[in-house]
Amino acid sequence: DVKVTQSSRYLVKRTGEKVFLECVQDMDHENMFWYRQDPGLGLRLIYFSYDVKMKEKGDIPEGYSVSREKKERFSLILESASTNQTSMYLCASKTSTDTQYFGPGTRLTVL
Amino acid sequence: GNSVTQMEGPVTLSEEAFLTINCTYTATGYPSLFWYVQYPGEGLQLLLKATKADDKGSNKGFEATYRKETTSFHLEKGSVQVSDSAVYFCALRVRGFKTIFGAGTRLFVKA
Repeated sequence: DVKVTQSSRYLVKRTGEKVFLECVQDMDHENMFWYRQDPGLGLRLIYFSYDVKMKEKGDIPEGYSVSREKKERFSLILESASTNQTSMYLCASKTSTDTQYFGPGTRLTVL
Repeated sequence: GNSVTQMEGPVTLSEEAFLTINCTYTATGYPSLFWYVQYPGEGLQLLLKATKADDKGSNKGFEATYRKETTSFHLEKGSVQVSDSAVYFCALRVRGFKTIFGAGTRLFVKA
């Protein structure tokens, strides 16, 4: 079975802190994604990566950056957390077909 | 642009009732269409998909038919169970890496 794991299920940070969210997949997928999920808005794409060291902005990249140094690991970075970044963050990886495999999510609260 | 609209929830049904969750889309080109399900405390997982007009996707008793003429991909199940309680997301992918998700519809099934 494909497994996508995220470093934390719940995280509480203070405004201005630097936050790292990590995602690891074990199926050698080339494509990886970071979304945020907010009530009534569904999933919105923050960044994606189609290969090691390659990244593309999604629909809402402002305030975020990413890192993909190894194929299995895709990190989302909040350089200076703000309260409007309180959300559920979902990582996904994708096969050469259309199916995306999601991690369990990290619920981030910024105080 | 590309977008997905699905019915607002929550939808509350009694066990063994018939389920329909409406989904319509706007897309340039010929999209692949998906239904993902998110059980409480988990990430999303693919429920079913269809890649061309008139295809029917099915899984776990759920079905959806790709209707190009009405740009719809409604999710149906003949007899829901309490274990079907979850949030359901309709999604599309036209080309490239991005998948567009609807806002999600929460389903509650009462025993």
